[in-house]
Amino acid sequence: KQEVTQIPAALSVPEGENLVLNCSFTDSAIYNLQWFRQDPGKGLTSLLLIQSSQREQTSGRLNASLDKSSGRSTLYIAASQPGDSATYLCAVHNYGQNFVFGPGTRLSVLP
Amino acid sequence: NAGVMQNPRHLVRRRGQEARLRCSPMKGHSHVYWYRQLPEEGLKFMVYLQKENIIDESGMPKERFSAEFPKEGPSILRIQQVVRGDSAAYFCASSPRDISPSTDTQYFGPGTRLTVL
Repeated sequence: KQEVTQIPAALSVPEGENLVLNCSFTDSAIYNLQWFRQDPGKGLTSLLLIQSSQREQTSGRLNASLDKSSGRSTLYIAASQPGDSATYLCAVHNYGQNFVFGPGTRLSVLP
Repeated sequence: NAGVMQNPRHLVRRRGQEARLRCSPMKGHSHVYWYRQLPEEGLKFMVYLQKENIIDESGMPKERFSAEFPKEGPSILRIQQVVRGDSAAYFCASSPRDISPSTDTQYFGPGTRLTVL
C-alpha cells in the first residue's frame, strides 16, 4: 500500500528566500507524481506533474524533481513571495490505483 | 471552459439527516473522483466513477455512503444519517482519461464543506 509523507509539516520563511519542500513515497511503481497548491478554504491547483520517466519539471519559479528509485520528490521554490503562502500537497498516482496524497506542507512567506 | 463545479459550497446538517453533494466535471471529462479532507488531515481517496459505473470504491465507508455518476447530470455523493465525524471538506476531481495514465492529471473542484451539528 502506497504511503506518502511530506517534510516539513510547516515552514515559515522571509520573502525572497529559496526553499525546498520534500515528499517521500514507499512504492516506486508509479505513473506520475504531482504537486498541488491548496489555499485556505479553496480547492487544489495543479502546479507540476512529473511522469515516471522524467527527472524534473519546471514552471516559472517552481522546479520539481523525481527520484523514483529512492522514492523521493522535491519542490523547489525560488525567490519566494508572500503570495506563495499556501499548503503544498504531493500526490502519487500508482499503477492500478488512484492518487495517494501526502499530508502537505503549510508554507508561510513573510513580507 | 468552466472548471469542475461543486455545490453546495457549504452544507450544514443535523445528526441523522442526509447530505447530498453534487459535482459537475469539466466539459468532456467522463471520470470523476471524490476525496475527503478531514480537519488538519490530507486528502483521502473515496471513490472513482465513470459514467454509470463505479470503478473503485475502496476508500468509501461501507455504510451510509454512496456515490453515483448517471449518464446525464452531475455525480452525487450521498451520506445518509450523518454523524459529527462526517464533518469535512469533500472534493471532487475529474479527468478525461482518454490519454496516457502517465500524463493523466485530475482537475479539482472548490469543495463542499459539510458541517454536522
